[in-house]
Amino acid sequence: QVQLQESGPGLVKPSETLSLTCAVSGDSISSDYFWGWVRQPPGKGLEWIGSIHHSGGTYSNASLKSRVTLSTDTSKSQFSLKLSSVTAADTAVYYCARHVRVVTSRSKLGLPRRTYYFDYWGQGTLVTVSS
Amino acid sequence: QSALTQPPSASGSPGQSVTISCTGTSSDVGGFNSVSWYQRHPGKAPKLIVYDVTKRPSGVPDRFSGSKSGNTASLTVSGLQADDEADYFCSSYAGSDNLAVFGGGTKLTVL
Repeated sequence: QVQLQESGPGLVKPSETLSLTCAVSGDSISSDYFWGWVRQPPGKGLEWIGSIHHSGGTYSNASLKSRVTLSTDTSKSQFSLKLSSVTAADTAVYYCARHVRVVTSRSKLGLPRRTYYFDYWGQGTLVTVSS
Repeated sequence: QSALTQPPSASGSPGQSVTISCTGTSSDVGGFNSVSWYQRHPGKAPKLIVYDVTKRPSGVPDRFSGSKSGNTASLTVSGLQADDEADYFCSSYAGSDNLAVFGGGTKLTVL
């Protein structure tokens, strides 16, 4: 059974950098999955932040891309999120999740068509941005 | 404002069926067969219950079913049980620059 657990400071000051780590058990960070971050601000819906593959490939939400840094540490079986220059709008419950990317078919030109979904999630950690 | 639109609440009595909608655009829900649904009980980790519009992970009861028509995806929960009371979120792939967009969530109440 794959398990994920977020950890990091629950309070971050405005303009500083939010740093979270996700510890993975029951699977290897080096397996052929992406590892992602999703957040939910109070009273709002979920928002995908970004996802990283152990090979270094990363994808980020365009609205957050300039502030997001993703990394993996295969020796510790964990991956991390850094979000810089935070404001009160970054207050949210942050989830880490395993992000599946699977080729479902190929076009006439042989290009892969893929599907994406999150199959395992952590319980989430609340991060408040306040002075 | 979430990219995908879900009703904020839904309800039904035990044994009944309830359907939750998830409306997007041709750039997400309508453009790809990559819609997924998640169940989240308070304080718990979200759980994948439907992926690729209609598929269920192993262990998810067939009381949960997904479908899609145009830009709207739907989750139907049949034979409602008390434990189905939870928040439900939909998600869709929206292109290589936006791997996942989500709905605002629907709180399902079992009366």
